[in-house]
Amino acid sequence: ETGVTQSPTHLIKTRGQQVTLRCSSQSGHNTVSWYQQALGQGPQFIFQYYREEENGRGNFPPRFSGLQFPNYSSELNVNALELDDSALYLCASSHLRDPNNEQFFGPGTRLTVL
Amino acid sequence: AQRVTQPEKLLSVFKGAPVELKCNYSYSGSPELFWYVQYSRQRLQLLLRHISRESIKGFTADLNKGETSFHLKKPFAQEEDSAMYYCALSGIGGFQKLVFGTGTRLLVSP
Repeated sequence: ETGVTQSPTHLIKTRGQQVTLRCSSQSGHNTVSWYQQALGQGPQFIFQYYREEENGRGNFPPRFSGLQFPNYSSELNVNALELDDSALYLCASSHLRDPNNEQFFGPGTRLTVL
Repeated sequence: AQRVTQPEKLLSVFKGAPVELKCNYSYSGSPELFWYVQYSRQRLQLLLRHISRESIKGFTADLNKGETSFHLKKPFAQEEDSAMYYCALSGIGGFQKLVFGTGTRLLVSP
């Protein structure tokens, strides 16, 4: 069984640029959630994708957008980067019908915005 | 509003001492409560959830709806318990958004 993978592991962007982060979900999972974890904080929910559609969204502006593909992998896109977007971005996969309601996290992508 | 509060950023104990990591929550309904753990250089992983009422690695947590708390306890801490611990909640069923606390770093010294 393959776990959740994310790419890249880290990257540096400048303010105003755009970035795309990628996530491959764990085998058998159909749902992907994205979280932003700022330094010293807990993960904060960005949005969730199920069957290639957004299935819920946290308190993030529209410049945060996502995609889910037929193989359940996902992308997180952030436009017009701001300094405060610097954080660890976590992807978590799960199965919507899992009675255990467990999310499996990837290692994260560390984004630095200069 | 959904909120999880972990009042301690750091909890430092000696090996063999009891441990209690505090977690309080606010939620207008019946939430599911979880404890997630992140060991050094490892990814965030589920430790336990209140519905299963399990004891994992000697840790237990009881949901107290009256006090809206879900404290994590272990009677005898081990050095390998040193890690970052996050309390989290979600709604029951369907949409699985997790709301996390800010985390407590547990440091167990020999």
